Amino acid sequence: AQSVTQLDSHVSVSEGTPVLLRCNYSSSYSPSLFWYVQHPNKGLQLLLKYTSAATLVKGINGFEAEFKKSETSFHLTKPSAHMSDAAEYFCVVSDGRKTGANNLFFGTGTRLTVIP
Amino acid sequence: DAGITQSPRHKVTETGTPVTLRCHQTENHRYMYWYRQDPGHGLRLIHYSYGVKDTDKGEVSDGYSVSRSKTEDFLLTLESATSSQTSVYFCAISGPGQRMETQYFGPGTRLLVL
Repeated sequence: AQSVTQLDSHVSVSEGTPVLLRCNYSSSYSPSLFWYVQHPNKGLQLLLKYTSAATLVKGINGFEAEFKKSETSFHLTKPSAHMSDAAEYFCVVSDGRKTGANNLFFGTGTRLTVIP
Repeated sequence: DAGITQSPRHKVTETGTPVTLRCHQTENHRYMYWYRQDPGHGLRLIHYSYGVKDTDKGEVSDGYSVSRSKTEDFLLTLESATSSQTSVYFCAISGPGQRMETQYFGPGTRLLVL
């Protein structure tokens, strides 16, 4: 079975300091993993995805994530937070099917607050 | 941004009334999905479609039905709305080939059932 645990429901950082949003996953398959961001009253936007290529994945807006199989983790990082990064972030695992419709399993989200 | 629109964007209805939400895509993607988003739960899959007239249930399908008569449209129906169906509903699509796993989301529909 697939599942995702986001270890922090809320993270607060000062502008210009590093961001770390933690995610652990469980998967019966070789997983595909995603991070999505949701700004207030908006839809979800794909930040980055891991699909068994390079373990360090670079995404949009300076975010990156590292897939660590031994730790079953896929933490999201950014060297320097910007005010526009304030949003809700979701870690997501795919059910592993490489053909056909893929079911996604969402974490419960981490709300990132950026303090000026 | 993926060409996905949802209508209506906001709706208030009363318990027991039928409600239909529409998702429209201009990407000609085969796969379409309906999710609901509730505090503390992330997004949960309601139903999905893998082609015209081909649909299947997701994790939280009770009380919902779907239809897909054209590639571009995927309808979600609440036959008799209940207060527990108050939520934000998102449609998503996924495309061919290696992009199949990646889902792109619409702007959402906020539904309030009184």
